[in-house]
Amino acid sequence: DADVTQTPRNRITKTGKRIMLECSQTKGHDRMYWYRQDPGLGLQLIYYSFDVKDINKGEISDGYSVSRQAQAKFSLSLESAIPNQTALYFCATSDLSGGEQFFGPGTRLTVL
Amino acid sequence: AQSVTQLDSQVPVFEEAPVELRCNYSSSVSVYLFWYVQYPNQGLQLLLKYLSGSTLVESINGFEAEFNKSQTSFHLRKPSVHISDTAEYFCAVSDLGGYNKLIFGAGTRLAVHP
Repeated sequence: DADVTQTPRNRITKTGKRIMLECSQTKGHDRMYWYRQDPGLGLQLIYYSFDVKDINKGEISDGYSVSRQAQAKFSLSLESAIPNQTALYFCATSDLSGGEQFFGPGTRLTVL
Repeated sequence: AQSVTQLDSQVPVFEEAPVELRCNYSSSVSVYLFWYVQYPNQGLQLLLKYLSGSTLVESINGFEAEFNKSQTSFHLRKPSVHISDTAEYFCAVSDLGGYNKLIFGAGTRLAVHP
């Protein structure tokens, strides 16, 4: 089984809808991250968390919110989706400063 | 704040030829440096990293990268590429703080042709 899982893998939604992307990990890591990937821009950090009581905004947090329900679960929400939030979203985890980040398979989100 | 510039968006190369993917970074503090690889329709995987010590780091599949502090570069090289190396490669930096958050470059798409 995969160490970092994301659901759904693909989602098409309409402008104005609320949507939640979920991430679960079995690696026991403290640190979790949400990134979005756009062609030609690389990955940009949306939010990151050290533990369930620690949530921090990344480079592009506007229009997004997160919830760290448990050490193993980190959800990303779009309260009112807009077309320019169409992108590939990745969750990642790590356990050490300078350590490897482990990425999930990604969620492809399309907002019409 | 840190930033990463990958100087080539696409690099086409023939199989068994050498390749270099260029990465420059900007930071006012010391950083860790990483190369990640993304194969088609997959997430990212760590290829290699520089934390400290020897400035030349190697991966298990023949890639190497050299940290050059004076030129603020971390270029990725392979002396002979294979078709299976076709992927997108991302250079990234993180500061030495506890959050380990990454700042990525825009990526370089390596296309290996037979």
